[in-house]
Amino acid sequence: GEDVEQSLFLSVREGDSSVINCTYTDSSSTYLYWYKQEPGAGLQLLTYIFSNMDMKQDQRLTVLLNKKDKHLSLRIADTQTGDSAIYFCAAANNNAGNMLTFGGGTRLMVKP
Amino acid sequence: NAGVTQTPKFRVLKTGQSMTLLCAQDMNHEYMYWYRQDPGMGLRLIHYSVGEGTTAKGEVPDGYNVSRLKKQNFLLGLESAAPSQTSVYFCASRGQMNTEAFFGQGTRLTVV
Repeated sequence: GEDVEQSLFLSVREGDSSVINCTYTDSSSTYLYWYKQEPGAGLQLLTYIFSNMDMKQDQRLTVLLNKKDKHLSLRIADTQTGDSAIYFCAAANNNAGNMLTFGGGTRLMVKP
Repeated sequence: NAGVTQTPKFRVLKTGQSMTLLCAQDMNHEYMYWYRQDPGMGLRLIHYSVGEGTTAKGEVPDGYNVSRLKKQNFLLGLESAAPSQTSVYFCASRGQMNTEAFFGQGTRLTVV
């Protein structure tokens, strides 16, 4: 089955850019997602990218997809303290009810 | 429009007790999922359903049962709770043509 991996922790200073990386194993994944989770809350979809794209930009967020290397990244420009949260990468394919397979989450800490 | 609603939000069980977690969605979604979230392990799929009356096992199904008697509801049951089932449980739903999965706010379960 699919395996999705992320680094556990990232610390940046306010105003810097943050880059969170993710790798996945199933080349048939059709959609790749980034979710944000704040303490005690559910998951909020930030953005997603279809597998035939290599980049998607949405305001401060830029998603890069390297399908050959099965590598996904999320760049947050001008990171703010309100961006401190856990970020999850997830992959979905058209099999098994389009279920999402999640990475372990990257905790982003933004220092003022 | 309530989206995905989980009940209860918190529960403490004694080892061996049983309980049912309810997930309700009002978006007429075909797919519904139950995940558990443990520190450093992301979300792992317990069971899922691709439509009313159907269920299937996910990555970590042991110790859990599910039912989808009505399209809008997906129930997760623990027949004999164990401390290893202490976790935060998330329900999600997704339409057949939708790319986004919508998550509930989670149920924090502690088994003592």
